Amino acid sequence: EPEVTQTPSHQVTQMGQEVILRCVPISNHLYFYWYRQILGQKVEFLVSFYNNEISEKSEIFDDQFSVERPDGSNFTLKIRSTKLEDSAMYFCASSGTRAYNEQFFGPGTRLTVL
Amino acid sequence: AQSVTQLGSHVSVSEGALVLLRCNYSSSVPPYLFWYVQYPNQGLQLLLKYTTGATLVKGINGFEAEFKKSETSFHLTKPSAHMSDAAEYFCAVTVQGAQKLVFGQGTRLTINP
Repeated sequence: EPEVTQTPSHQVTQMGQEVILRCVPISNHLYFYWYRQILGQKVEFLVSFYNNEISEKSEIFDDQFSVERPDGSNFTLKIRSTKLEDSAMYFCASSGTRAYNEQFFGPGTRLTVL
Repeated sequence: AQSVTQLGSHVSVSEGALVLLRCNYSSSVPPYLFWYVQYPNQGLQLLLKYTTGATLVKGINGFEAEFKKSETSFHLTKPSAHMSDAAEYFCAVTVQGAQKLVFGQGTRLTINP
């Protein structure tokens, strides 16, 4: 069964460093998303991406964040200058259709900023 | 804007007992509702969804949920808990044309032998 994959599973970085989180969505899906979950808090929407551009972003998704689909298979989230409060689990999701917005999630990347 | 409240961050039941996980939503337009499950070290897996039509929806692993508009609820149930049901469960809402899912805070289900 097709699935969303994410790498790495755990990333440790120093405050101020740049990190890139990688995702491979399900191959025929067209809509891509990033969510995050700070420990003990809700899963929060960050950004959605369609047709090679951002279609919606939350107030969390400020200038330090960017997303890219560098080729036909990968979808990346870059955090330019990490802060302690960026420590969270980051989930990638993809959807094949806008109808009902059924999204398929990856296993997540745990980002720890020291 | 939509929102979801899950009552009880932690629910514990005995094996074979009824599982009831509560979810209430807020939406000014007809919602689409989802339950996701997360097993340790895994991603969010869709259990079931309500979009339109029948208000009682059945999902995987014997779970079902009923959409009650009058109560703005979408509670998840399973008649008989199994040890393998131990996981984190998330309720989520969206609406037609929206980009994002809005999640509740999750409920950790523990099954006692």
